[in-house]
Amino acid sequence: GAGVSQTPSNKVTEKGKYVELRCDPISGHTALYWYRQSLGQGPEFLIYFQGTGAADDSGLPNDRFFAVRPEGSVSTLKIQRTERGDSAVYLCASSSLAGGAYEQFFGPGTRLTVL
Amino acid sequence: AQSVTQLGSHVSVSEGALVLLRCNYSSSVPPYLFWYVQYPNQGLQLLLKYTSAATLVKGINGFEAEFKKSETSFHLTKPSAHMSDAAEYFCAVSDDRDDKIIFGKGTRLHILP
Repeated sequence: GAGVSQTPSNKVTEKGKYVELRCDPISGHTALYWYRQSLGQGPEFLIYFQGTGAADDSGLPNDRFFAVRPEGSVSTLKIQRTERGDSAVYLCASSSLAGGAYEQFFGPGTRLTVL
Repeated sequence: AQSVTQLGSHVSVSEGALVLLRCNYSSSVPPYLFWYVQYPNQGLQLLLKYTSAATLVKGINGFEAEFKKSETSFHLTKPSAHMSDAAEYFCAVSDDRDDKIIFGKGTRLHILP
């Protein structure tokens, strides 16, 4: 079956611009996570959705970052007034809590470059 | 607060030699522990996970890890390294099955011919 997909795979933007990053989770997965991976670092948690609602947004660095998941499937991470420090690979993961198995399945990521 | 420490940002082993990647964690509750692998220009792939069942966990590609509560460790091992094992390895911890994952900074494994 299809895994987690993310679009675009690469995004280059200028400082101050607005960007949207999209995540399509595995069909039927109720939980969706966003992480950010800077060069040479491990992924850092941003936000977690259970269904349509954000269950934990404690990792969002500031109010320029926002994410939605209006129908409980696709999610969009939105970054306003981008800064050079926002350059990173943005990873999306999804998981199913059914059956006792626990694993987050990761997408390939969107590489964001802010010039 | 949860945290993960991976000792050694780079580890080099000869092909056929033992692979040992070290990971120590801190968690206020019995943790879920993971090892992920990231090959160049690819996404994260789960190698293995510990979820309070057997303390010795076997994963894919011949890797295994042992949960040692007394040492708060979850080191990753493989008896014989292959060239294809060259990648970045991340140890990670979670407090609950539906909670965020906290990753270590990663260890890049180099395999010497």
